[in-house]
Amino acid sequence: DGGITQSPKYLFRKEGQNVTLSCEQNLNHDAMYWYRQDPGQGLRLIYYSQIVNDFQKGDIAEGYSVSREKKESFPLTVTSAQKNPTAFYLCATRTPGRPTDEQFFGPGTRLTVL
Amino acid sequence: QQQVKQSPQSLIVQKGGISIINCAYENTAFDYFPWYQQFPGKGPALLIAIRPDVSEKKEGRFTISFNKSAKQFSLHIMDSQPGDSATYFCAARAASNYQLIWGAGTKLIIKP
Repeated sequence: DGGITQSPKYLFRKEGQNVTLSCEQNLNHDAMYWYRQDPGQGLRLIYYSQIVNDFQKGDIAEGYSVSREKKESFPLTVTSAQKNPTAFYLCATRTPGRPTDEQFFGPGTRLTVL
Repeated sequence: QQQVKQSPQSLIVQKGGISIINCAYENTAFDYFPWYQQFPGKGPALLIAIRPDVSEKKEGRFTISFNKSAKQFSLHIMDSQPGDSATYFCAARAASNYQLIWGAGTKLIIKP
């Protein structure tokens, strides 16, 4: 939390629909990340962006898309191509060079496909 | 392909006891090993971290022990309290691209 806003907190989607999850930060951090969290599994990286107008695929990018038009914003779209989208989605930021190299996380969005 | 293996999956400890969570990694190109704490419905938060040139790091009741030759590191929580009940994740950072590889998590319950 603290400087990272994710909305909505809960999201319900019908099969076949695209949905967009919002992530906004006021920490002035360069890097932003999207993770997916499933029960009994660690966090899995979907996409990340080190700088505005640039982003890279993570380990499970299929069925997802992102944009980074502003430093403060990194929205994630879950497309109908994602076969099992029900999960807890976490956005994180990082400022390279900090001694702790800490990633800061938002409060998450829980997506449920009906 | 999981490169960081975390155990146990769940752990119950009496108040005042010591909680121990273990992680093992395979890739030697990791350069930073953080532990995160997550409460239900919240995002994870950094708890403590260590670099591989140090064998132990202590912050209050939390200690990381690091064994570079065995490729293992562990979190010890001394004098465990009910407020420590949470899910704990270990992670390892790849030196090449700074991405974190996460363990599967340990759900810790501290019984009063």
